[in-house]
Amino acid sequence: GENVEQHPSTLSVQEGDSAVIKCTYSDSASNYFPWYKQELGKGPQLIIDIRSNVGEKKDQRIAVTLNKTAKHFSLHITETQPEDSAVYFCAASNGFQKLVFGTGTRLLVSP
Amino acid sequence: ETGVTQTPRHLVMGMTNKKSLKCEQHLGHNAMYWYKQSAKKPLELMFVYNFKEQTENNSVPSRFSPECPNSSHLFLHLHTLQPEDSALYLCASSQDVTVTGELFFGEGSRLTVL
Repeated sequence: GENVEQHPSTLSVQEGDSAVIKCTYSDSASNYFPWYKQELGKGPQLIIDIRSNVGEKKDQRIAVTLNKTAKHFSLHITETQPEDSAVYFCAASNGFQKLVFGTGTRLLVSP
Repeated sequence: ETGVTQTPRHLVMGMTNKKSLKCEQHLGHNAMYWYKQSAKKPLELMFVYNFKEQTENNSVPSRFSPECPNSSHLFLHLHTLQPEDSALYLCASSQDVTVTGELFFGEGSRLTVL
């Protein structure tokens, strides 16, 4: 079955810096890669996703890149702000909403 | 109300108790899910329902019993749990299991088993 590894487990940056979180997956049939943000006391919320027919996708300060050959995808957050502090989860799916999640990255943005 | 609502938000129970977690979605979705979230572990899919029918049971122990009376409501009945079952239980919904897309999560029910 699919296995998703996520690094780093914690990431501390200064406000205004960029943050990068990386994930690798094992199943070459996976074709959908979402990223979720979980704030304290809340459930995870989708922030961006990418499908296997696209190499990069941007939405304002966040972007996701996908390298199908290497089987890895990354989340990039530019100009980080304190409200970006949260736990971020990557996931992979080969269909039928059977998402396999990574272990999460705790991002701390210091003012 | 909008979105996915879970009750109770916090629950403490003994190993011999019986309790239930409730989830309700107001999004008109057809698929509902139970996930278990433990510290330092990936979210674990427990059960999936599509149009009220269970489509996935991810080898979950029988002390967890799901119920889906309609597409808007999902329950997780708990009995004779173990301390290692203490976790955050998240309910989610999506349009349909056959289409990969956004999962909408509730805020979770924090369960502590003494």
